[in-house]
Amino acid sequence: DAKTTQPNSMESNEEEPVHLPCNHSTISGTDYIHWYRQLPSQGPEYVIHGLTSNVNNRMASLAIAEDRKSSTLILHRATLRDAAVYYCIHITLGALTFGGGTRLMVKP
Amino acid sequence: GAVVSQHPSWVICKSGTSVKIECRSLDFQATTMFWYRQFPKQSLMLMATSNEGSKATYEQGVEKDKFLINHASLTLSTLTVTSAHPEDSSFYICSAMTGQGSYNSPLHFGNGTRLTVT
Repeated sequence: DAKTTQPNSMESNEEEPVHLPCNHSTISGTDYIHWYRQLPSQGPEYVIHGLTSNVNNRMASLAIAEDRKSSTLILHRATLRDAAVYYCIHITLGALTFGGGTRLMVKP
Repeated sequence: GAVVSQHPSWVICKSGTSVKIECRSLDFQATTMFWYRQFPKQSLMLMATSNEGSKATYEQGVEKDKFLINHASLTLSTLTVTSAHPEDSSFYICSAMTGQGSYNSPLHFGNGTRLTVT
């Protein structure tokens, strides 16, 4: 199974950076690492994905460890709208298993 | 960006009836769509992978005769919950991939269907 491990919850202050960690020790060489976030009663929203190199987009940055067994999603300046459950997944031959995710709470 | 439309957004049905949920990719063709179920305060659980023109692949423990999946076109997959019971009440979510089976492209999710069986 393509399992990931994330902290259950994290807190951040508004306007501060947030680093959300994820362990994916069973990852294989061709698996992409994806991050999604979900607001209550909505479908997940794509955040970012990568393979080996660090990635940046308008929403976040993704830092991937050299051995690829872990990654960190970086929100550079958290806003109240970033409060959500964040899921990291790695996709193995069609297996799309979501772990428990991290509930991010942002304090004003 | 790529949009996945899911309909209805919520439905209430009586025990023993069937409910159909539609998932459409609005501006791209999706050869593969995925169906998930999510219970309150839990993560998404993959139910099945739906491939256009072929039979869906169900995850272990998911009854294929109860959760009928049809993916007759490149833009539409449907999930029918047959003979629904209260324990089937859940949040059902579909997703589709824009790439041609490559995971170097995002998954795009519908906004989910809240099913309540009374």
